[in-house]
Amino acid sequence: NAGVTQTPKFQVLKTGQSMTLQCAQDMNHEYMSWYRQDPGMGLRLIHYSVGAGITDQGEVPNGYNVSRSTTEDFPLRLLSAAPSQTSVYFCASKGTGKGAGAGTGELFFGEGSRLTVL
Amino acid sequence: AQSVTQLDSHVSVSEGTPVLLRCNYSSSYSPSLFWYVQHPNKGLQLLLKYTSAATLVKGINGFEAEFKKSETSFHLTKPSAHMSDAAEYFCVVSLSGNTPLVFGKGTRLSVIA
Repeated sequence: NAGVTQTPKFQVLKTGQSMTLQCAQDMNHEYMSWYRQDPGMGLRLIHYSVGAGITDQGEVPNGYNVSRSTTEDFPLRLLSAAPSQTSVYFCASKGTGKGAGAGTGELFFGEGSRLTVL
Repeated sequence: AQSVTQLDSHVSVSEGTPVLLRCNYSSSYSPSLFWYVQHPNKGLQLLLKYTSAATLVKGINGFEAEFKKSETSFHLTKPSAHMSDAAEYFCVVSLSGNTPLVFGKGTRLSVIA
């Protein structure tokens, strides 16, 4: 049971490049989300999903795209990276109800991906 | 709407003295509340959670928190700080399974030898 797995752990990009941060979970969780963490700002929600085929915007969605084609995977895409997107990114998942993957509502986090945009 | 306020951005204590990290929440309904800890350059780990059972919740590493509805508070305490407790702590509120959790901005705990 690996939990939430994020790749890559570190990435350096040039302004204007695109990339995808991968996130996978093996807990059959319906809810998945992406946060960015910046000094003094806490964790800010970028996008989230409550199930395959369903996504919604969080607090800071601009410049980021997501899709949810399977329960397990929730990739985050940067279409044209900007220096303001330099941050640490966390993927997190939780169970939302009864049955497989249900839990008591806490988020399970990946180890983070540190992105630098030059 | 729900929100979380962590009243101190930085708390410094001496090793062996009590820890108090303060958290107030705002929610229209009965929330679930959590405390997470993040050590430097690490991910977030769940310390404890309140989900409408006992109001005094015990977590890992000797931490506990008390849910006080009348004060809309969920303060985190520990009787005796260890050097290994130095970290960032986040108070989090959740309304239901399908809604995003709301994070406070964090409190950095420093422990002085």
